[in-house]
Amino acid sequence: EDQVTQSPEALRLQEGESSSLNCSYTVSGLRGLFWYRQDPGKGPEFLFTLYSAGEEKEKERLKATLTKKESFLHITAPKPEDSATYLCAVPLRDYKLSFGAGTTVTVRA
Amino acid sequence: DTAVSQTPKYLVTQMGNDKSIKCEQNLGHDTMYWYKQDSKKFLKIMFSYNNKELIINETVPNRFSPKSPDKAHLNLHINSLELGDSAVYFCASSHDSGIANEKLFFGSGTQLSVL
Repeated sequence: EDQVTQSPEALRLQEGESSSLNCSYTVSGLRGLFWYRQDPGKGPEFLFTLYSAGEEKEKERLKATLTKKESFLHITAPKPEDSATYLCAVPLRDYKLSFGAGTTVTVRA
Repeated sequence: DTAVSQTPKYLVTQMGNDKSIKCEQNLGHDTMYWYKQDSKKFLKIMFSYNNKELIINETVPNRFSPKSPDKAHLNLHINSLELGDSAVYFCASSHDSGIANEKLFFGSGTQLSVL
């Protein structure tokens, strides 16, 4: 069964303390992996798309990487404004995106 | 200028009532979606329309009925509301539904509370 699993569920970081979030998937014929950021009371906002193993994308303090089984979102020297829930999603058959439950990141000053 | 806007932001209603949520996008996209986010934060697709044509209809009670008067609008009507319908409902759009890896643009959500 196609599945997307994110870990940890929650991550509390001190400002400047780098860490990584994990998104593992069991999907046959991967057609890309998406990362979104969701702030409280708002809709998810697109961050990255990764298409093939070994690919990396960067945006400010965020870097997303992809292997054949999982993706990592690395947060380098995070700031309080990086606090959010980070969602990964994988396209399934029939145009559907399957979302993970997300990792809620809290960065304390 | 909000790209995907949905109203209302909050909706509190009694069981058994009928309610609607409206969504509009000004991005010129061909495809619009309704997603439901439950208390555990899982986002699940409910419906998708491409150029006013229904293309995804997940296993959703038939009390939920989407309507797309034109490709810039997708409304969601819910009949006979139940307690379990309480969730946040997100509207989204994308350029094209033909490619499963199109990035989505989401509205800010409608928090529905059924009492």
